[in-house]
Amino acid sequence: GQQVMQIPQYQHVQEGEDFTTYCNSSTTLSNIQWYKQRPGGHPVFLIQLVKSGEVKKQKRLTFQFGEAKKNSSLHITATQTTDVGTYFCAGETGANNLFFGTGTRLTVIP
Amino acid sequence: NAGVTQTPKFQVLKTGQSMTLQCAQDMNHNSMYWYRQDPGMGLRLIYYSASEGTTDKGEVPNGYNVSRLNKREFSLRLESAAPSQTSVYFCASSSHPGGYNSPLHFGNGTRLTVT
Repeated sequence: GQQVMQIPQYQHVQEGEDFTTYCNSSTTLSNIQWYKQRPGGHPVFLIQLVKSGEVKKQKRLTFQFGEAKKNSSLHITATQTTDVGTYFCAGETGANNLFFGTGTRLTVIP
Repeated sequence: NAGVTQTPKFQVLKTGQSMTLQCAQDMNHNSMYWYRQDPGMGLRLIYYSASEGTTDKGEVPNGYNVSRLNKREFSLRLESAAPSQTSVYFCASSSHPGGYNSPLHFGNGTRLTVT
């Protein structure tokens, strides 16, 4: 069954507002990756988190890995129309397999 | 440097027909994967090949077969297509199995409809 849950499934925001998507695993993850998929496109790797409590930033995007390594979040500050797409987390449980979350589809209203 | 190339981009099949989805990567990656993407379900792993000469089942392997033809190519075959196999199929590759320091590189996808 699904091992990595992601919420919310959909998010509509006004341009300039912030956005957060959350990823939760039933088991401890060895690492977590985040991907972005533009409408009609394919997933593209954004970042990997490995350490407990790790925080990484990419311009307006902030990624966090929980202390227990069971959850993660992606926060976008001041969204832009270029942020539109579906954001996926993907967790590895140590069995050499990545389990993708269900994704959060972000719509940015200009 | 094309990355991961999938063919075809679109396909319509009738129930019971067979077809093979082709995938090739030019990044000298050891590991290759086939995922399907359905609305609200995220990406689910069908089969993967950790290295040339090996293949293993993923989460949803039923109704599919794979062949790792060589290091570059990994094909997915539907022997008798069913409407439940209507989906978008993505091939991906990574330098080694597992996620650590080995992000997935995806192809552009194949949109398959089975009527």
